[in-house]
Amino acid sequence: QSALTQPASVSGSPGQSITISCTGTSSDVGVYNYVSWYQQHPGKAPKLMIYDVIYRPSGVSNRFSGSKSGNTASLTISGLQAEDEADYYCSSYTSSITVIFGGGTKLAVL
Amino acid sequence: QVQLVESGGGVVQPGGSLRLSCAASGFTFSDYGMHWVRQAPGKGLEWVAFDATNKFYADSVKGRFTISRDNSKNTLYLQMNSLRTEDTALYYCAKGNFLRSPFDSWGQGTLVTVSS
Repeated sequence: QSALTQPASVSGSPGQSITISCTGTSSDVGVYNYVSWYQQHPGKAPKLMIYDVIYRPSGVSNRFSGSKSGNTASLTISGLQAEDEADYYCSSYTSSITVIFGGGTKLAVL
Repeated sequence: QVQLVESGGGVVQPGGSLRLSCAASGFTFSDYGMHWVRQAPGKGLEWVAFDATNKFYADSVKGRFTISRDNSKNTLYLQMNSLRTEDTALYYCAKGNFLRSPFDSWGQGTLVTVSS
């Protein structure tokens, strides 16, 4: 099963909003609300930022939000801060009873 | 708080075997499903396996890797056989609940290098 499709990179200025897309199929993102987003800083372990499409774990800033339309999920970061610069990965449960990740998106805060 | 500490990584020749361990603390280990996720150098994340009541594997490792746990030791394992160069990666263990659940806590990873 192919990985979910994410843009390789996105960028924004401090204070702006950006959106990262995550496109799957009718066998994963399109049929299940089990999409999560992870933030990974260089040399660090990933950190859960959004789960079940729209929910934020305790302690995650409300500047991070998730949504889904059809086969595409999205992560929006508002009020960009320098500390948001990182790699972001989406993941989804699949009808093959597996989990797949997106290829990752490098966010640059200019 | 939740702590996951991986160990057992190293350098192994193609065709060789290695067993990874993940020591868990800060939660009731036996109540939760656990995953292994890997990341090849400079690449993205790849889900490897999940252990709970049942076990599930990615196609890329099915038949070669075996996930298991010892609840009395709060430890998760990954037995890796018939290793290939493409298995070279940082291997993370991650806490989940069900297979569909998010990975809500991660260890720092243990590096496996498959090379002749």
